[in-house]
Amino acid sequence: DAGITQSPRHKVTETGTPVTLRCHQTENHRYMYWYRQDPGHGLRLIHYSYGVKDTDKGEVSDGYSVSRSKTEDFLLTLESATSSQTSVYFCATGAGAAGANVLTFGAGSRLTVL
Amino acid sequence: SQQGEEDPQALSIQEGENATMNCSYKTSINNLQWYRQNSGRGLVHLILIRSNEREKHSGRLRVTLDTSKKSSSLLITASRAADTASYFCATDGNTNAGKSTFGDGTTLTVKP
Repeated sequence: DAGITQSPRHKVTETGTPVTLRCHQTENHRYMYWYRQDPGHGLRLIHYSYGVKDTDKGEVSDGYSVSRSKTEDFLLTLESATSSQTSVYFCATGAGAAGANVLTFGAGSRLTVL
Repeated sequence: SQQGEEDPQALSIQEGENATMNCSYKTSINNLQWYRQNSGRGLVHLILIRSNEREKHSGRLRVTLDTSKKSSSLLITASRAADTASYFCATDGNTNAGKSTFGDGTTLTVKP
């Protein structure tokens, strides 16, 4: 997990409240990703970024937004949290080498929406 | 929907035995990667095999890729209790280079 810090690591919130998860990297990687991991579903891509201010949607982007104002920071925002967004969220980075984008993962952020 | 599907979902073996996990995918790929996840931790990259490669080794790991069958296998030889973890395959498709798509994983338990 060295080089990627996720915060907070654990959060409990109530339905309808906004939540922001932060990912900070010291890898200087171009690509950054947010995945969610739920039992029986493996990892699913929420949003990703291929550069500062350049982001795109992933497989399960509804209800989430992201921002990347600096190379090292990638924020995931749940505009109005719902119970279905209870999950473990992983940030990952990749250098983006052509045809070989190896991902480095953070330790995860466990979010519970009551 | 997931690109990769691992088989079996769970595998339990004795220390010293070999463990084989399989991954099938649906569309053409640039490369396929295997990751390990210990309980409560993030994923760690194990090995990458490119679409023009058939076999690759790294220590006790052996990965094969059959693009005609759209499948890959991960073999862990002489398993140890420390190999207990979940293992995921991830594909980097031709149409979405840079966005890895993960399967649901195989949970491996190695009994001492």
